[in-house]
Amino acid sequence: GQQVKQSSPSLTVQEGGISILNCDYENDMFDYFAWYKKYPDNSPTLLISVRSNVDKREDGRLTVFLNKSGKHFSLHITASQPEDTAVYLCAADYQGGSAKLIFGEGTKLTVSS
Amino acid sequence: ETAVFQTPNYHVTQVGNEVSFNCKQTLGHDTMYWYKQDSKKLLKIMFSYNNKQLIVNETVPRRFSPQSSDKAHLNLRIKSVEPEDSAVYLCASRHWGGAETLYFGSGTRLTVL
Repeated sequence: GQQVKQSSPSLTVQEGGISILNCDYENDMFDYFAWYKKYPDNSPTLLISVRSNVDKREDGRLTVFLNKSGKHFSLHITASQPEDTAVYLCAADYQGGSAKLIFGEGTKLTVSS
Repeated sequence: ETAVFQTPNYHVTQVGNEVSFNCKQTLGHDTMYWYKQDSKKLLKIMFSYNNKQLIVNETVPRRFSPQSSDKAHLNLRIKSVEPEDSAVYLCASRHWGGAETLYFGSGTRLTVL
């Protein structure tokens, strides 16, 4: 089955609002969690990542929240801008494993002005 | 320029033909991957190599065979393509370990008629 899941295929947010993207995972062994951003006809690029020894990480307008007991992590984007419009892919991995980053299906975020 | 380079960008072929895709990274990484992005945009890992050794081989049809001459190169050959092989194939690389940033190439879009 799908080890990393994004239940919302799409999300629309008004400019200036907070975008909240969610991701659930199944494997208890995962200890590294990441969000990648993908523009149309471009390849994914890393936005932000967090290891399991913390439950929150901030970087500018981006914050990743990790809920290990719930096997859930989320990406919050504050002051959302039209240029944030893209597909956001969550991903998970574990350092002691065979090093394969598993991706979710993606959520298409549209920030409307 | 340091990056992940893939050729060709596009390939159109007939059912039953053989195709080969090339990937080279100049980032100094020791681990390389092939991902398949299907029609639903889901990124699925196919293979990973560490220092030209096969590490991950997901459930992939036998007609797919990766080839690595050194840690900077990972090619993908598909013998006798099928219509369901139509997809975007993304090559990626990173340093070994489960918490490293993955860098993608621009992808090869395969269309099987």
